[in-house]
Amino acid sequence: SQQGEEDPQALSIQEGENATMNCSYKTSINNLQWYRQNSGRGLVHLILIRSNEREKHSGRLRVTLDTSKKSSSLLITASRAADTASYFCATDAGGLSRLTFGEGTQLTVNP
Amino acid sequence: DTGVSQDPRHKITKRGQNVTFRCDPISEHNRLYWYRQTLGQGPEFLTYFQNEAQLEKSRLLSDRFSAERPKGSFSTLEIQRTEQGDSAMYLCASSFSSINEQFFGPGTRLTVL
Repeated sequence: SQQGEEDPQALSIQEGENATMNCSYKTSINNLQWYRQNSGRGLVHLILIRSNEREKHSGRLRVTLDTSKKSSSLLITASRAADTASYFCATDAGGLSRLTFGEGTQLTVNP
Repeated sequence: DTGVSQDPRHKITKRGQNVTFRCDPISEHNRLYWYRQTLGQGPEFLTYFQNEAQLEKSRLLSDRFSAERPKGSFSTLEIQRTEQGDSAMYLCASSFSSINEQFFGPGTRLTVL
C-alpha cells in the first residue's frame, strides 16, 4: 500500500459547503504537502505543514497534522465550483527528498 | 513566467522511437525532480538532482530512461525504445532545498502508439 493514502477517494458536495479530505501515512516525515490537480494539468501546491506543526491556514484552506496518528486533513471552506479537482497529499517519507503521493481524492463541487 | 516550465506539453510517438523531454526549473531552485503519473494515480518518483548531481533514481527508471542536468539548470529526460507502457504524464518539479515546497510544471503527456 502507498505511503500517502487519501480518504475518501471521491467526494461530491454543493457549492458553499465545506469539504474535508483525509490522508494517512506510514513512516516518519519531516513535512506533508497538499496539492491540487485539475484534469490533465500539472499539480498546484496548496500548503506545506511541518512535522512540528499541528495546524496551518491559507485562505479557505485549513490543514491539520497529527503525527501520533500519522494522519492529516485538508478542509476547504465555502467551496466553489472552481475547487473541483483531484487533491493529493504527499510526504517526504523517512525524511527523503522525494515525495510519495497517494491516489488522491476527486472532489466535485456542484454549482 | 517564473514557474517551472516543461516542453513539449504533448508528445505522440510510435513504439520503439526515442523521445526527450525538457524541464526548466524555477531559477533559484537547486533541486529538480522527475515524476511519472498514470491515469487515476498519484505521481510516482523517478529521479532527482541537486545542482548537476543525480542523487537518487527509482526502480521505475529502467535502463531505457536517462536524465541529465548538465549545468545544474534545465534537465532532460530521455526514453529510448519507447513502449506502450511508457504512456503517462511526465512531471517535473523543483525546490529550493529538501525541506521546502516542491513546485510542479504543467507536465508532458506522452502517448506511445
